[in-house]
Amino acid sequence: EAQVTQNPRYLITVTGKKLTVTCSQNMNHEYMSWYRQDPGLGLRQIYYSMNVEVTDKGDVPEGYKVSRKEKRNFPLILESPSPNQTSLYFCASSLWAGGRNTEAFFGQGTRLTVV
Amino acid sequence: GNSVTQMEGPVTLSEEAFLTINCTYTATGYPSLFWYVQYPGEGLQLLLKATKADDKGSNKGFEATYRKETTSFHLEKGSVQVSDSAVYFCALIKAAGNKLTFGGGTRVLVKP
Repeated sequence: EAQVTQNPRYLITVTGKKLTVTCSQNMNHEYMSWYRQDPGLGLRQIYYSMNVEVTDKGDVPEGYKVSRKEKRNFPLILESPSPNQTSLYFCASSLWAGGRNTEAFFGQGTRLTVV
Repeated sequence: GNSVTQMEGPVTLSEEAFLTINCTYTATGYPSLFWYVQYPGEGLQLLLKATKADDKGSNKGFEATYRKETTSFHLEKGSVQVSDSAVYFCALIKAAGNKLTFGGGTRVLVKP
């Protein structure tokens, strides 16, 4: 089954304690991205990657890091989480075809609370 | 830059009522347009899409037509069910682009 898998689904942590949210896709997609979802703001892109070792900032990258060492994995790293990073996070992947992205597949989401 | 504006919710309807969620966009060129649905506790799923002007996307009884002249992509369903209760997101990818730009989402609640 084609899917994007995120872990964990829920996470409560304290300010300043480094954490990693994992994301893996089994569709051999080139393009992967991370979004955060906040009430009234829709989804905002944090970082994206167009292929292995190619990453770039999205709209709200401050306080986040990513890496893309393998095509299937795209972890999101919060080196020093702060309460304003409390949010619902989604990983997504899509096929890059004909110079544009096609349908995006989303993970189930990770609800992060930073206290 | 690109932007998507959709009506604020929540929208509360009775079962079998007609649903319309308005979506307008700002983008250069000819973006691809999407509606995503998020059921409670789940990730986003693609509901339907349209890639060029006058295309109509349809799925699960939902429809939306790509209107270049009004830069709109309104979502409609003729007879909603309780199971349609969800948050609906309008989104676009600009031509030769890679980033999805989302609207703020519209929560729909269908009551029996």
